[in-house]
Amino acid sequence: GENVEQHPSTLSVQEGDSAVIKCTYSDSASNYFPWYKQELGKGPQLIIDIRSNVGEKKDQRIAVTLNKTAKHFSLHITETQPEDSAVYFCAASQETSYDKVIFGPGTSLSVIP
Amino acid sequence: NAGVTQTPKFQVLKTGQSMTLQCAQDMNHNSMYWYRQDPGMGLRLIYYSASEGTTDKGEVPNGYNVSRLNKREFSLRLESAAPSQTSVYFCASSKDRITEAFFGQGTRLTVV
Repeated sequence: GENVEQHPSTLSVQEGDSAVIKCTYSDSASNYFPWYKQELGKGPQLIIDIRSNVGEKKDQRIAVTLNKTAKHFSLHITETQPEDSAVYFCAASQETSYDKVIFGPGTSLSVIP
Repeated sequence: NAGVTQTPKFQVLKTGQSMTLQCAQDMNHNSMYWYRQDPGMGLRLIYYSASEGTTDKGEVPNGYNVSRLNKREFSLRLESAAPSQTSVYFCASSKDRITEAFFGQGTRLTVV
């Protein structure tokens, strides 16, 4: 089955710097890759996603890149702000399946003012 | 707009006790899911309901049962709680399939 690895597990950056979180997946059939942000005491919230027919997607200060050949995808956050502090989860799934979404273990990001 | 609402938010159970976690969504979504979140393991799917009237096992279904009561509500039942079921439980819903799932705020369950 699918296995998603995520690195690093914790990340601290100075406010204004960039943060990069990397994930790898094992199942070449996976074609949908969402990223979720979980703030303390709250449920995960989708922040950006990418499908396998696209190599990069941007939304303001966040961007995701996908390398299908290497089976890895990354989240990039530029000009980090304290409110970006949270746990970030990557996931991989087959878009037509209900049960094949697999989440990575999460990255705890701290943005230091 | 409430989104996905879970009750209760916190619960402590003794080993062997039973309880039901409630979940309701007001977005007219077809699909609903139950996940558990454990430190360092991300979210793991327990059960899901692709549409009203259907339920299926996910990755870690043992020790749990579910009921899709209607389109809005999806409950998770622990018949005989065990310490290994100590976790944070999240309910989620999506219009269809797993794309753009919306999560509730979670239920922190401790089994002693």
